[in-house]
Amino acid sequence: RKEVEQDPGPFNVPEGATVAFNCTYSNSASQSFFWYRQDCRKEPKLLMSVYSSGNEDGRFTAQLNRASQYISLLIRDSKLSDSATYLCVVSDTGRRALTFGSGTRLQVQP
Amino acid sequence: GAVVSQHPSRVICKSGTSVKIECRSLDFQATTMFWYRQFPKQSLMLMATSNEGSKATYEQGVEKDKFLINHASLTLSTLTVTSAHPEDSSFYICSAREGLLGNTIYFGEGSWLTVV
Repeated sequence: RKEVEQDPGPFNVPEGATVAFNCTYSNSASQSFFWYRQDCRKEPKLLMSVYSSGNEDGRFTAQLNRASQYISLLIRDSKLSDSATYLCVVSDTGRRALTFGSGTRLQVQP
Repeated sequence: GAVVSQHPSRVICKSGTSVKIECRSLDFQATTMFWYRQFPKQSLMLMATSNEGSKATYEQGVEKDKFLINHASLTLSTLTVTSAHPEDSSFYICSAREGLLGNTIYFGEGSWLTVV
């Protein structure tokens, strides 16, 4: 079983749509959680950290359920520029490296 | 802001040769750097954790004699792919954590290696 699992997609949505991505992680020692965005053939870039209480950054809302070891990302009012691969990422305090999911590809269409 | 520079961004080498990739933290001291590899349509996989002044810690299945990591200073880590083969062709990317307790990880731009 992979440490971080994501639906690979692709998710094809029209502009303005709301889309949700889900992620599960297997290591209960995970302490930090993030969503990264990766454009084709580029390095990943931090989109947002995910906190237990849930957090929002503009059109993006992230949720964490530690009991279920589940993380989600909601994108509202999708823009063409949101087209990318979204990576669910976790980190534990021991190793302190990041463990990446395989990513969910989003394609926003005009 | 903090920047991690990785070089070269693209390299093509012949099978059997060695290739060195550099990762530099430009305006902060990186006690720890991480090296990842990403094959097409797959996740970033951690190869090794590089600590300044000590030997790197390799993930299971990564050959330390093939992927040589040197972290001689607080701003530079290098990954050398020795005796490269076509199956080593991949996207290699480094990341750096600022200081000992920094929570932010900065990524380099990545290096595309093609072995022919």
